[in-house]
Amino acid sequence: NAGVTQTPKFRVLKTGQSMTLLCAQDMNHEYMYWYRQDPGMGLRLIHYSVGEGTTAKGEVPDGYNVSRLKKQNFLLGLESAAPSQTSVYFCASSYFGQGDNEQFFGPGTRLTVL
Amino acid sequence: SQKIEQNSEALNIQEGKTATLTCNYTNYSPAYLQWYRQDPGRGPVFLLLIRENEKEKRKERLKVTFDTTLKQSLFHITASQPADSATYLCALAPDTGRRALTFGSGTRLQVQP
Repeated sequence: NAGVTQTPKFRVLKTGQSMTLLCAQDMNHEYMYWYRQDPGMGLRLIHYSVGEGTTAKGEVPDGYNVSRLKKQNFLLGLESAAPSQTSVYFCASSYFGQGDNEQFFGPGTRLTVL
Repeated sequence: SQKIEQNSEALNIQEGKTATLTCNYTNYSPAYLQWYRQDPGRGPVFLLLIRENEKEKRKERLKVTFDTTLKQSLFHITASQPADSATYLCALAPDTGRRALTFGSGTRLQVQP
């Protein structure tokens, strides 16, 4: 099992450009999450999904969109990148969403917006 | 607003000693508390879960306590090793409502040989 994978690992964008981050999991998990991690801020939830075809807003959703067309994939899109979106992005998944379910994280995508 | 506090200063200890990390929270009544380890350049990895009705949980050299009166969790690593050097994150979740964890910013542990 590969677990949770993310592509790409690194990306540099110019302000206003768009991109999509791909997350894939092979554990048949229902729940998937996108977080961003900034120095001193911890992990902040951007969007999450409770199952195929569903998405919901997290703590910091502005400027991002997501889609979950297949159970194993969760895409994070930036339509018009801004320097404030420079961050490390982590995808995670869990079998269920209750707090007693551990989350499995991907290796992260380091995004720089110039 | 909900707040989770972990010591932002790195904790430096000698190999063989017990490391104790603190997670404090305010304006929150979590039903579950989880601890994760994060190595540089990698995603967090789950370590332990403790429920609000549990005072203490152990796993090998790890021990977690959960005091809902003090609104605090302590994470202990006994007989620490240089390989334990990492950042440790606590995460809280409610019993109902949005099904997502709220993470602290983490504390970096450095174990000196």
